[in-house]
Amino acid sequence: LAKTTQPISMDSYEGQEVNITCSHNNIATNDYITWYQQFPSQGPRFIIQGYKTKVTNEVASLFIPADRKSSTLSLPRVSLSDTAVYYCLVGESNAGNMLTFGGGTRLMVKP
Amino acid sequence: GAVVSQHPSRVICKSGTSVKIECRSLDFQATTMFWYRQFPKQSLMLMATSNEGSKATYEQGVEKDKFLINHASLTLSTLTVTSAHPEDSSFYICSARDRQGAAFGYTFGSGTRLTVV
Repeated sequence: LAKTTQPISMDSYEGQEVNITCSHNNIATNDYITWYQQFPSQGPRFIIQGYKTKVTNEVASLFIPADRKSSTLSLPRVSLSDTAVYYCLVGESNAGNMLTFGGGTRLMVKP
Repeated sequence: GAVVSQHPSRVICKSGTSVKIECRSLDFQATTMFWYRQFPKQSLMLMATSNEGSKATYEQGVEKDKFLINHASLTLSTLTVTSAHPEDSSFYICSARDRQGAAFGYTFGSGTRLTVV
């Protein structure tokens, strides 16, 4: 699985848009990009997944440039409850392989 | 959506005893389940891959005789921590993959906080 690199931590304020970028220079042709959110003492929760260009759902957007060597998770108008660790994972999810987690980004939303 | 139930959510046990953690896929069948361990302020580390009807595959450095995994049905995998010691105290999380292999097919349990005293 392609290795990912994310900022260790980020701070933001309520109501702001937060963009977390993930680098995955060795992404393979069949790899998808998936983001998970984890609160303390809970299992990770799926946020969004994409292959190329832009994907949007009710909680986030995912921007993927043409070369797919990076991706950006965009959280619009964050609230205190968005304080969590966000993980970017890259892999061929349809192949049934395990998910390998990188270090994640610890987002702190302040009032 | 797919739901994975993990039980218990918290357990405290005495050193030397064994603890069993259950992971159930509630509304789908999971041929493959994964067990992770997470220490405070750290990321999830894969311990083993559990396959229904066959032996689990353990990651390097994980003792298979200490962390017994059983995946006897398409909806249940269990992790038994045998002869637990304080250093086994951690947050254990299971993940199940939807049998249909959908791109969104990884769902995580809520985790089990194990404290060995």
